[in-house]
Amino acid sequence: SAVISQKPSRDICQRGTSLTIQCQVDSQVTMMFWYRQQPGQSLTLIATANQGSEATYESGFVIDKFPISRPNLTFSTLTVSNMSPEDSSIYLCSVFYREEFSFNTQYFGPGTRLTVL
Amino acid sequence: GEDVEQSLFLSVREGDSSVINCTYTDSSSTYLYWYKQEPGAGLQLLTYIFSNMDMKQDQRLTVLLNKKDKHLSLRIADTQTGDSAIYFCAESNDYKLSFGAGTTVTVRA
Repeated sequence: SAVISQKPSRDICQRGTSLTIQCQVDSQVTMMFWYRQQPGQSLTLIATANQGSEATYESGFVIDKFPISRPNLTFSTLTVSNMSPEDSSIYLCSVFYREEFSFNTQYFGPGTRLTVL
Repeated sequence: GEDVEQSLFLSVREGDSSVINCTYTDSSSTYLYWYKQEPGAGLQLLTYIFSNMDMKQDQRLTVLLNKKDKHLSLRIADTQTGDSAIYFCAESNDYKLSFGAGTTVTVRA
């Protein structure tokens, strides 16, 4: 399996500021994703982080608000820009991982709990 | 788009079996998953099933898939207090997962 870490694990931020969340994987993976989980809600895919090219955003999410970097096959960042209280959520990084002789699956990081005041 | 639905809450007595149900609409779903989220934690992959299977058993977990009715269930045998969590059903036919809203399972003594 893939082991995923995220930094920070939680943060409290002021309205109008930006926060960059880091995601590190212990092995090279082709596909990395960023999800948002709003309070009491399910997970919504924000974007697919593509190595060496611009991220692919889902409907309702834009690059100016959620810029993403993917400099290599083990690391990605998500920035939440110009934050408002509505951005208070858990942000999760995930990777699509093919295990030897086994099944393709997605693993998730522990999440970053963001509170915007 | 894909739509995945789950009941929101389940209360079960310790030692009994829990059954969590899920329905989905995308008939081209290839993989179906169950994830567990404990309070304050990320998502843990519990088990998965290919769409061409109808059952999978893994220790205390049994997954049943009725592809005709697009119905997926997760049975947890001998439910323990550590099983208290939110359980998410998810489906995909490529790299993107579509999640249900999650079922909060509460285990009572």
